[in-house]
Amino acid sequence: DGGITQSPKYLFRKEGQNVTLSCEQNLNHDAMYWYRQDPGQGLRLIYYSQIVNDFQKGDIAEGYSVSREKKESFPLTVTSAQKNPTAFYLCASSDPGTGHTGELFFGEGSRLTVL
Amino acid sequence: EDQVTQSPEALRLQEGESSSLNCSYTVSGLRGLFWYRQDPGKGPEFLFTLYSAGEEKEKERLKATLTKKESFLHITAPKPEDSATYLCAVQGSSASKIIFGSGTRLSIRP
Repeated sequence: DGGITQSPKYLFRKEGQNVTLSCEQNLNHDAMYWYRQDPGQGLRLIYYSQIVNDFQKGDIAEGYSVSREKKESFPLTVTSAQKNPTAFYLCASSDPGTGHTGELFFGEGSRLTVL
Repeated sequence: EDQVTQSPEALRLQEGESSSLNCSYTVSGLRGLFWYRQDPGKGPEFLFTLYSAGEEKEKERLKATLTKKESFLHITAPKPEDSATYLCAVQGSSASKIIFGSGTRLSIRP
């Protein structure tokens, strides 16, 4: 079945360590997104990519990095520069070719906890 | 600046008790308003897109409506399985960015 796969589902990190969250999609979508969700808050956009080898910063990009070397993959690295990384991270994709760019397909999320 | 505000923050209803969730928005050049459902520990699931004032969409017990300043998600005769957080989002003239509200946590008691 087509969809978005995020891994790992749960991740624990010590302060000062970088971690990479995986996001893979087999929907053949051009656009991919990373959001962060904190309790009681909406989803906040970290980075987005509309095409391979191109990506843009969202509203809270500081302390994060991404790459988009393949259409199917959009990994997110949470660096040690991110001051408060404990959160639920969601990857999403959309198909701009349909004209419905706001209809996002989400993965199951990755919950990162900094010890 | 584009902004989305949802109310109430949480809503508890008895099974069969109809109600509405509110999404107020400010955006430059609305391209679309979206409703999503999110179950605990899961990613959001797309429900509806509304494009212009006066538009309505329905799915089972849910009906979404749109005005120039707000959207309502009406839930009719809800069941316990409708319990979830409902998220509202807007896409403005900067089509690549989608702004989400903080959601309404809906709980339906049997």
